[in-house]
Amino acid sequence: DAGVIQSPRHEVTEMGQEVTLRCKPISGHNSLFWYRQTMMRGLELLIYFNNNVPIDDSGMPEDRFSAKMPNASFSTLKIQPSEPRDSAVYFCASSTGTDKNIQYFGAGTRLSVL
Amino acid sequence: QKEVEQNSGPLSVPEGAIASLNCTYSDRGSQSFFWYRQYSGKSPELIMFIYSNGDKEDGRFTAQLNKASQYVSLLIRDSQPSDSATYLCAAAYALNFGKGTSLLVTP
Repeated sequence: DAGVIQSPRHEVTEMGQEVTLRCKPISGHNSLFWYRQTMMRGLELLIYFNNNVPIDDSGMPEDRFSAKMPNASFSTLKIQPSEPRDSAVYFCASSTGTDKNIQYFGAGTRLSVL
Repeated sequence: QKEVEQNSGPLSVPEGAIASLNCTYSDRGSQSFFWYRQYSGKSPELIMFIYSNGDKEDGRFTAQLNKASQYVSLLIRDSQPSDSATYLCAAAYALNFGKGTSLLVTP
C-alpha cells in the first residue's frame, strides 16, 4: 500500500487566501484524522472522521477552518481566509478505527502564510 | 482537559546507553498508549503500543505502563545515533499527543 497520501507537500500563500489541503487515507481504513503541528503547541488534533462522518471537531481553531470527507478515499481541510498564525505542518493520519487506534501518518503539508 | 505530559528535553545519552523517556496522562479513562518516533522534518511513525499494565518488549524497545500512577515510559537499550529523534507519547482514548521529548544519542 502507498500509505497515507497528502498534497501538496508545501504550500506558500498570502494572508487572506483560501488554502485547501488534501488527504487520501490507506485503503480499508475507516478513521481519518487531521493534525496541526507547531513548535509551540506540538501535535494537535483538529478533527477526526469515522466512516466519513465527523466525530469530533472540537480541535478546529475557528470558523475559518473546515474539513470534509465526501468518500472513504478522500478528505480536505480548508482554511478561508488564511492568516500567518496558521503557518504549521498539517498531518493527515488514518487507522482501522478499532479501539486500538494505531494511526499511520502521511508525510504532511508544510503551510506558510505570508 | 485531557493532558499528556512529557519532558521536552533534550535528553542526551551516550551511544550504547539506555535512554528512558517518560510520559504522564490525566485521563483515567485512557485504555491504550502509543509511542511514536519523529525525525526532524518527517512524520510520526509508530514505535510501540501498550494496553496492559506492565512491560512490553520489542527488540531494543520496552514500553512500561502503570495505570494506577497514570505513567507510561519507553526504554531504549543500546542506544544508537540513529535513535536521535523526538519521541511522542499518545493516549488513544482522547487521541491526545504529548509535545514530545527530544533524544540525542552521542557517538
